[in-house]
Parts: sequence; C-alpha cells; structure tokens
Amino acid sequence: GDSVTQMEGPVTLSEEAFLTINCTYTATGYPSLFWYVQYPGEGLQLLLKATKADDKGSNKGFEATYRKETTSFHLEKGSVQVSDSAVYFCALTENTGNQFYFGTGTSLTVIP
Amino acid sequence: EAGVAQSPRYKIIEKRQSVAFWCNPISGHATLYWYQQILGQGPKLLIQFQNNGVVDDSQLPKDRFSAERLKGVDSTLKIQPAKLEDSAVYLCASSLGTRTNEQFFGPGTRLTVL
Repeated sequence: GDSVTQMEGPVTLSEEAFLTINCTYTATGYPSLFWYVQYPGEGLQLLLKATKADDKGSNKGFEATYRKETTSFHLEKGSVQVSDSAVYFCALTENTGNQFYFGTGTSLTVIP
Repeated sequence: EAGVAQSPRYKIIEKRQSVAFWCNPISGHATLYWYQQILGQGPKLLIQFQNNGVVDDSQLPKDRFSAERLKGVDSTLKIQPAKLEDSAVYLCASSLGTRTNEQFFGPGTRLTVL
C-alpha cells in the first residue's frame, strides 16, 4: 500500500545552517505530496505542497521538489532560524482515493 | 477567520469507559477529517466526511469507535469502550472539498487511558 518514510530525528542545527529532511514515498498512482509543520503547542499546518512530478513547492524559505524518478520530496531550507524549531511531517494523498498518509515526523531544534 | 475548534483539549479516563470528542470545522468547509496520532507516529486517518456523509471510514475500528456529522457542520467522535492502546492525540481537520485542498487542523484532544 501507499506509505511515506521520512528521516528519523531529532535534528539539531545551529542558526543559519542548511536543512535537509528526507522524505520518500511509495504510491500506486500519481500522488500529491505535502509538508506539514507543527510548532510547539499548536496544530499541524500546511507548509508547502506539490501536485505533480517536477513541481516545486515553496513557502517561508522552505522548498521541496516532487521527484518521481527517485520517489522523493525532500524538504530544504538554506538558512534555518530558531523560529523554525518544530516537527515536520511529510504526507501524500492519491488522486484516486481519499486517504492521506503521513510520515512519522521529524523534530527539528535550531539553537542560536 | 476562526480556526478548527476541538474540545476537550485533554481527557483522562480508565479503560472500558466511554469518551466523546467534539470538533467544529472552519465555516464553509465541506470536508471534515478525524485523525489518530499515537506518540511518535504520524497522524492516521480514521474517518472522512463530505458534508454529512461518510467518504472513508476504512481505518475506523468500528467495534468501538463511532463518529457522526449530523448537520454537516460540527462532528463528534466517540470511543466505547476505551482500551489502553487508544491513548493518543485525536486531531480534527477540515478543508473546502477536494483532496489536494489544504487541510486546516485543530489543536487536538490528548486522550490518556489508564
């Protein structure tokens, strides 16, 4: 069945460091891909999305490119800030079904 | 714009007791989702409503879980009787309609079953 695998955390970075959180997926069809973020004490919120191969989603300095050949949707940011400390979830939904599949989440802590 | 509201925020019960959670989605959002998030895992979809009809409940343990959205607006999720393994955060989300629309999540209800 469909699934999402993301790199295990926790990840700790210094401010202004480069961030990559890996996400790979397994899907039977042509999924849409998402990154959600959960800040401490808050609900999940959509960070960015891509609905077809080679699309790049971007928001708040974060980017992720939908790579069908490697079934990946890695999250990147060139220079992280303390305020980026949160848990990040990769997710997919098939365009022919109703299920959303979330990864296990990657906790990021950015230290000054 | 008001977000997705959930109550209660926290609940502690003993096994075999019953519990109910309430969700009020964003006004005008036709689609409502209930997720279960066990500690250290990602959210797992339990049930999805489109207006007051069930679209997908394939992962809902129907022997003990039930959910309704009678008027197509707010929704309740019930567990009866609860088991230890039901300890989790229960998330409600809503969206305008289609699967690729952004889902807006509530703060969740943290359930502890003793």
